[in-house]
Parts: sequence; C-alpha cells; structure tokens
Amino acid sequence: DSGVTQTPKHLITATGQRVTLRCSPRSGDLSVYWYQQSLDQGLQFLIQYYNGEERAKGNILERFSAQQFPDLHSELNLSSLELGDSALYFCASSVAGGHTDTQYFGPGTRLTVL
Amino acid sequence: AQKVTQAQTEISVVEKEDVTLDCVYETRDTTYYLFWYKQPPSGELVFLIRRNSFDEQNEISGRYSWNFQKSTSSFNFTITASQVVDSAVYFCALISNFGNEKLTFGTGTRLTIIP
Repeated sequence: DSGVTQTPKHLITATGQRVTLRCSPRSGDLSVYWYQQSLDQGLQFLIQYYNGEERAKGNILERFSAQQFPDLHSELNLSSLELGDSALYFCASSVAGGHTDTQYFGPGTRLTVL
Repeated sequence: AQKVTQAQTEISVVEKEDVTLDCVYETRDTTYYLFWYKQPPSGELVFLIRRNSFDEQNEISGRYSWNFQKSTSSFNFTITASQVVDSAVYFCALISNFGNEKLTFGTGTRLTIIP
C-alpha cells in the first residue's frame, strides 16, 4: 500500500458526460501528479500540482482540468467524455515535486465510457 | 527529448528461472533518475527502485537486482529464481530537469511466470 488513495475505483459513464476523480496524497506529500494509462498511448503524464499550484502540464486535453485543494487532495475533472477517454487514471504523490523525488502511485480509477 | 525503450513486449519463463528485463534510455541531461515500477494484474503501480545518474553501483534486493550502465544508457532488471507472484507488467521510467521534471515511462514488459 503506497499510502495514496483514489476514488472511485471504477467508473462507468456515457459519452458527453462529466466525471470527477479524487486523489488523496501520502501524508506529508505536497505534490500530486495525474497520469493516464491507455492501451494505445501507454502511461502519459497529464498534470502536476504542488501545494495547491499548477506546476507542470503534460498531454492533458482542454476538456480535462484538475485542482489541488488546501488539504492537498486533488481532483481531476473530465468533461464531454468520448469513447477514447476510457483508461486507467493514476494519481501519484511525492514529497516536494522535484525531479529528485520518488513518485508513489495510487491504485488507479478505471474509467469506462460507453 | 527524453525517451525510455523497453524492447521486450512480453517474456515468459518457467518458475525458478532467472529473467532479465531490458531498459534503454535517452536524455540530454547529465542529472537524471531512473525507476522501475511493477504493475501486477490487480492494476496498481508499485515502486521498486530509484537510481540517480551519478550512482552506477549495481543494487540487489532479495531476488531482484539492477544493473545501471551509463556507457550503454541501460538500466536492466534481473529477477533471480522467478516465482509466479512476479508475473506482472514492469515499467522502466526516467525523470530529469530537461524533461521538465515529468516521469517518462517505457511501454512496459509483460512478464509471465509459468508454474
């Protein structure tokens, strides 16, 4: 158990809908990362937050947004969902968020868009 | 740009055999970190090891060992006396300042241990 929690574990929804994925980092970690794992794209970095502020952006679609709250938990919002958004979404956390840190991953949220 | 290549898509070995998973990386940065993660059938990503670019010492942890060679830009992972519980997808990953501090993953190697 990495100490990173993600809810829900599974999510099934329809095209065009909006969903919110939630992540709580390990105790003491200030940085949160979101990744998408799909069969065709592999593991892709989406976005990083550090202590409430956006720090780095990867291949995140404009339909997707995220935020980190004062208690350091983070939410990833996915809107106007398409079939291709079906994937496993991981949250990871690290102490400070620099390249010297180890990122510890949560169990993931499996999103299925029908 | 930085890149991680895991050329072995799938490997199957019989239990108790040794197996080596290959990882080759590219980066322009002189300071970087390499990682291995395990993704068992249950789906979570489990951290196994981190190695920085200035430490080329091989590491052994139980049945696991890692061989880091800067000369060939490789960071290979060996499992000795494999067990069925080692069946998983293994990912090699790289992070550096040049890569904007984001973790770049290889495509993974699916390892199946046959009982």
